[in-house]
Amino acid sequence: GAGVSQTPSNKVTEKGKYVELRCDPISGHTALYWYRQSLGQGPEFLIYFQGTGAADDSGLPNDRFFAVRPEGSVSTLKIQRTERGDSAVYLCASSLAGGEANEQFFGPGTRLTVL
Amino acid sequence: TQLLEQSPQFLSIQEGENLTVYCNSSSVFSSLQWYRQEPGEGPVLLVTVVTGGEVKKLKRLTFQFGDARKDSSLHITAAQPGDTGLYLCAGRLVAGYSTLTFGKGTMLLVSP
Repeated sequence: GAGVSQTPSNKVTEKGKYVELRCDPISGHTALYWYRQSLGQGPEFLIYFQGTGAADDSGLPNDRFFAVRPEGSVSTLKIQRTERGDSAVYLCASSLAGGEANEQFFGPGTRLTVL
Repeated sequence: TQLLEQSPQFLSIQEGENLTVYCNSSSVFSSLQWYRQEPGEGPVLLVTVVTGGEVKKLKRLTFQFGDARKDSSLHITAAQPGDTGLYLCAGRLVAGYSTLTFGKGTMLLVSP
């Protein structure tokens, strides 16, 4: 079956612009996670959805970052007024349900470059 | 301050050699996972360890969780070029917690 897909695979934007990154989780997975991976670093947690609601958004760095999952499947990560420091690979993962016992399956990521 | 410290950061070896990479913390983890990530891909889960002192084997890979559940190691026997990749450890501080805390990773390069 299909894995987690993310679009676009690459996004180049200019400082100050708005960007949207999309994640299509594995069908039937109720939990969805966003992570950010900067060069030379491990993934850093941003936000976790259980169904349509954000169960934990403690990793969002500031109010320029926002994510939605209106129908409990596809999610969009939105970044306003992008800064050069936002350049990173944004990873999405999904799992059958939340909690420790359920494996997270990662997508290939969207590489965001802010010029 | 990094919650999970991985060492070494980079390791370059010849095919057939053995190696060990480490994941250390001052915090106690409910569970710890190891992932491998290849360029342009997301991390892929290799193993989850949950009990202090636990040892798990996956073909030529041996994973150990420290008795105090603060550290873990990954040992690879007779490394092959296909083992090349970024090895990440990740843990959960609270039992049942959904989100993961990752280390920076160890980049392994195995040359033929």
